[in-house]
Amino acid sequence: GAGVSQSPRYKVAKRGQDVALRCDPISGHVSLFWYQQALGQGPEFLTYFQNEAQLDKSGLPSDRFFAERPEGSVSTLKIQRTQQEDSAVYLCASSLHRGNEKLFFGSGTQLSVL
Amino acid sequence: SQQGEEDPQALSIQEGENATMNCSYKTSINNLQWYRQNSGRGLVHLILIRSNEREKHSGRLRVTLDTSKKSSSLLITASRAADTASYFCATDPNKLVFGAGTILRVKS
Repeated sequence: GAGVSQSPRYKVAKRGQDVALRCDPISGHVSLFWYQQALGQGPEFLTYFQNEAQLDKSGLPSDRFFAERPEGSVSTLKIQRTQQEDSAVYLCASSLHRGNEKLFFGSGTQLSVL
Repeated sequence: SQQGEEDPQALSIQEGENATMNCSYKTSINNLQWYRQNSGRGLVHLILIRSNEREKHSGRLRVTLDTSKKSSSLLITASRAADTASYFCATDPNKLVFGAGTILRVKS
């Protein structure tokens, strides 16, 4: 596709509900990143994939967060038993090569947990 | 935790003026990148400067890097209303770490 696509654009969840956020990176991009952005803050790293391999998940805040990229293209970020503190914008980014130079970002999924 | 810190937190200027934003970071880096984010949108890559470079230009953008002071600056010349956005610096060496950003408002 022309850019990184994320869906849904907005998600409202009740506390305790599970959610799944989807990211379609630019075709052919090797690296894929998930970031969490709180209001008024910069993006915080969550996890990094190189093709289908999850090379770094050190930023995932708890074991309720899980990400996968099974075929090395589309990725899903799943949050189980959502809490109010999970409310944020979740950004996905991809880059052509290995590593973190020149990331292309999607518009994000705004998650609100009530 | 965020490695980079931008300064100022917010900047308001008139169209046509220059805007300067600064970034400080804590650890050694391979490169430093600047990104722009319009309200409600994803980030857009502006420019990358490597640790062995001191200055880089791209259109109306000029970036400097001082590794001895662990700091960088982004200069936008002849600003336009469309430059209104948040600007973030981002550093590696392992995962890309963003600062809290500078909110730039350009008044027409």
